[in-house]
Order: sequence, then C-alpha cells, then structure tokens
Amino acid sequence: GEDVEQSLFLSVREGDSSVINCTYTDSSSTYLYWYKQEPGAGLQLLTYIFSNMDMKQDQRLTVLLNKKDKHLSLRIADTQTGDSAIYFCAESINAGNMLTFGGGTRLMVKP
Amino acid sequence: EAQVTQNPRYLITVTGKKLTVTCSQNMNHEYMSWYRQDPGLGLRQIYYSMNVEVTDKGDVPEGYKVSRKEKRNFPLILESPSPNQTSLYFCASSTQGGEQFFGPGTRLTVL
Repeated sequence: GEDVEQSLFLSVREGDSSVINCTYTDSSSTYLYWYKQEPGAGLQLLTYIFSNMDMKQDQRLTVLLNKKDKHLSLRIADTQTGDSAIYFCAESINAGNMLTFGGGTRLMVKP
Repeated sequence: EAQVTQNPRYLITVTGKKLTVTCSQNMNHEYMSWYRQDPGLGLRQIYYSMNVEVTDKGDVPEGYKVSRKEKRNFPLILESPSPNQTSLYFCASSTQGGEQFFGPGTRLTVL
C-alpha cells in the first residue's frame, strides 16, 4: 500500500535554511506536493513536482526529488518566522485528485 | 472570491447524536473530498466525489456518509458519532486533475 513518511519536528533559527524531508513508497506516484498549514487554517499548496523532474525552484523554495530512493525534500532559504507552520508532503498517481499525505512536519523558526 | 466554505467551524456534540458538516465551493469544481486530520497521521481521505451523484469511499469511510446532489455542495454526515471521530475535518475541491483547494476546517469533539 501507499505510505508517506515525514519527521515530526524541525527547529531552525531565523535566516537559516530549512530542509524538510519526506519518503514515499508508491513508485507509480506521478505528482508530489508540498502543502503548508498555518495555525487554525486549511492547507495551502506551496509547490509540486512531476516525477520526471529532479528539481524545481520557486523563489525561496527548492524541491528535490530522488525517484530512485523515493525521497522528496523541501528547502526553504532564509527561513522567516512567518514560515512557522506544519508542512505536509503528498503524492498522487493521477494529477491532484487522490492524494496520500504524510503525517506533517512542524517547522518552528526561532528569532 | 473563490473559496471552499465549511460549517460549522467548531462543534461539540455527544455520542449518537446525528450531525452534518456542510461544505460548499463556488468554483464549479467537479471533484470534492473530505479528509480528517489527526496528530501524526496527516490527512486521511474519508470520501470523495468525482461529480454530481458520483461518490466513493476513501481510506477511512467507516462511520461517515456523504451525498452530492448539487455540484457545489458535499455534506459530510455522521449518523451516530462516536468519540473516535473527534478530529479536524477538511473539505477540498478541484477540477479533474487540478490543484485541490481546502476549506478552513471543522473541529469536531464527540463526548
């Protein structure tokens, strides 16, 4: 079956880079996503990557995909206190509709 | 404003008392789904709907019902709530294969 795993917590200092990791088991995954959940809010799509890509960069966000190891990471450069949130990785076989989520990584940014 | 709305946002109820959580979207999306979020488990899909009158079970459908009589609405029904259904519930909608937009969440406590 499908399984997506993430570490529970990450703490960084403001201005440092944050790297949030995710592993998945379904080799037929075609889309991999990163969502951000701020306190008391729903999920907001941050970025996504197709399985035929190795890297995607979007301003301060860099997504790296190692398909051989089924490993996905999200790097946030120059982390700010406003980046404090829970980050979920998710996978789907079909584009976007049937998502399998990881347990979420709580990112705490210290001033 | 394009959005997914859920009502109520917070609900405390007792075991066995039927309840309905409403979900509505104004984006003319075909696809809608319900998730529950529990600590460390991420989001797990309860039910989804590909279009009007088309619904199917997700990963954790036991104890829940849904209906999709209109495109914009996708209510979640708990016929006889139990304490293990205490959770944070999210509704989401998307076009087929498009980005999922999430509602703000409904925090349900069953005593």
